[in-house]
Amino acid sequence: NAGVTQTPKFQVLKTGQSMTLQCAQDMNHEYMSWYRQDPGMGLRLIHYSVGAGITDQGEVPNGYNVSRSTTEDFPLRLLSAAPSQTSVYFCASSSGHFSGANVLTFGAGSRLTVL
Amino acid sequence: KQEVTQIPAALSVPEGENLVLNCSFTDSAIYNLQWFRQDPGKGLTSLLLIQSSQREQTSGRLNASLDKSSGRSTLYIAASQPGDSATYLCAVSRGNNNDMRFGAGTRLTVKP
Repeated sequence: NAGVTQTPKFQVLKTGQSMTLQCAQDMNHEYMSWYRQDPGMGLRLIHYSVGAGITDQGEVPNGYNVSRSTTEDFPLRLLSAAPSQTSVYFCASSSGHFSGANVLTFGAGSRLTVL
Repeated sequence: KQEVTQIPAALSVPEGENLVLNCSFTDSAIYNLQWFRQDPGKGLTSLLLIQSSQREQTSGRLNASLDKSSGRSTLYIAASQPGDSATYLCAVSRGNNNDMRFGAGTRLTVKP
């Protein structure tokens, strides 16, 4: 049972480059989300999805794009990378979006450095 | 806007000691609070979830309490072990996973 799989684990980009962080889950979870974690700050929600074909913005969506064409996959696209996007990115999923009954399962994270 | 604070940012204790981690939040209109554990290079794992109507939850050597009116929660770890070394984060929610707000975490080191 793989859970939530994120690739790549590490990536270095130059300012202005674009890339996609991949997230896949094999638990048939409807809810998926992307967070970023910066030193001294809590995790902040970038985008989330409550099901295939449905996405919405979180707290810090600027500079990021998402799509949800299948239940399993929720890729995060950086359109034109900036140094401010240097961070550790986490994908998380749950069977539903109600927090009291649907605990999030997190991936291991993707560390991105933008030079 | 909900702000979640965890103090101290780092804590080092000898093995066997009982310890308390603190979490405070500014808006008491929460539905639940969770404590997570994060190991280096890994994602977060949920440890305990306390509903707003509850005062505490226990799992093994872990006990989490919630005082919603004062905006505080504590995570008590009994008889600490080196394997407890990790970063512990708290998060509050108004009911949905997309409104969850996280603290920055407390990095715990338990020395043998």
